[in-house]
Amino acid sequence: AQKVTQAQTEISVVEKEDVTLDCVYETRDTTYYLFWYKQPPSGELVFLIRRNSFDEQNEISGRYSWNFQKSTSSFNFTITASQVVDSAVYFCADQPDKLIFGTGTRLQVFP
Amino acid sequence: SAVISQKPSRDICQRGTSLTIQCQVDSQVTMMFWYRQQPGQSLTLIATANQGSEATYESGFVIDKFPISRPNLTFSTLTVSNMSPEDSSIYLCSATGEATEAFFGQGTRLTVV
Repeated sequence: AQKVTQAQTEISVVEKEDVTLDCVYETRDTTYYLFWYKQPPSGELVFLIRRNSFDEQNEISGRYSWNFQKSTSSFNFTITASQVVDSAVYFCADQPDKLIFGTGTRLQVFP
Repeated sequence: SAVISQKPSRDICQRGTSLTIQCQVDSQVTMMFWYRQQPGQSLTLIATANQGSEATYESGFVIDKFPISRPNLTFSTLTVSNMSPEDSSIYLCSATGEATEAFFGQGTRLTVV
């Protein structure tokens, strides 16, 4: 069965704090993609990253970084030096063939 | 990247009526999907829109309630039939090409009164 778990429903931090959003996935497929999307209060879905199941290299993009570990079926997302504009709901998703979303983590960054 | 146009962007409908949502992609894509996002919830996959054949529905969703068409590679429609207030949600169209991330439309915000 395909499933994505985001155990953190809501996280609140103060600006400039680092924050990690957890994501654990389940899939029987050997080839799949993992994603993170951001949904700000305006509602649109913003693509952040796609990771192939064969590529376990961590990735850094500015203040964002992702840690992919197949051994623990996790694909965690860290925001360094958080900003108020990072406030949004963040979704982790898994795609062998169809994209299945986790329940999302609402991040609130306070000034 | 693909640009997805979805319309209407929002609508308020009477219970018992039906609404058809259109999704147009500006480039050929391999797969198209329809999602529902209920207030404060995550995105739930309704179905995969298959070109020229019946859509593939996820558990809990049926063709009579959510008929879907995909006459060509770049266009699909979702109809929400015999609506009730419980159908009030955002409905999103998604498309993906070869080796690309899924792109999403802006969504249709549906309110059933």
